[in-house]
Amino acid sequence: KAGVTQTPRYLIKTRGQQVTLSCSPISGHRSVSWYQQTPGQGLQFLFEYFSETQRNKGNFPGRFSGRQFSNSRSEMNVSTLELGDSALYLCASSLVAGFGELFFGEGSRLTVL
Amino acid sequence: SQELEQSPQSLIVQEGKNLTINCTSSKTLYGLYWYKQKYGEGLIFLMMLQKGGEEKSHEKITAKLDEKKQQSSLHITASQPSHAGIYLCGAAIGGNYQLIWGAGTKLIIKP
Repeated sequence: KAGVTQTPRYLIKTRGQQVTLSCSPISGHRSVSWYQQTPGQGLQFLFEYFSETQRNKGNFPGRFSGRQFSNSRSEMNVSTLELGDSALYLCASSLVAGFGELFFGEGSRLTVL
Repeated sequence: SQELEQSPQSLIVQEGKNLTINCTSSKTLYGLYWYKQKYGEGLIFLMMLQKGGEEKSHEKITAKLDEKKQQSSLHITASQPSHAGIYLCGAAIGGNYQLIWGAGTKLIIKP
């Protein structure tokens, strides 16, 4: 079956702009979580959605937001981009909420100039 | 995350040798993942451990969870070039299962 699909794979933005990233989970998975990965901070949890409801949120500013649609696809948005937002953004889907096997996408690499 | 310490940070091992990577938490573990990542790519699932004392194996990789020590170890037997990559541990801490991740262990296999 198809894996987790993230789009776009690469993008370049300038400071102050906003960006929307998309994640299509594995068919049947209702949980989607998002992570930011940088060389300095490593992998950090952003938020988790299950059945269109945000279950958990990491320690990120309000500029980072997300949502999940009825078909389980999820989007995350970053507004007023800063240089420090340059990172690999990974999404993962799971059958269950909370602690379950996570299936990761290849990520969206965002560069902010 | 300092809450989840991985050691060593990097490891160079001769092909065929065994190796161990450790992951230690400063908080109570409710479950722990091991993943492998090739540079700049997504994470590949290796193991998921939920109970103290649990041990799982897949091919030449074995992972154990020591709940009392709040620690997990990943052991690779007879390493191969395909084992090279970055190994990440992720842990569920707190009742809401929020995940935190270690900084990763970079493994290089020398032929």
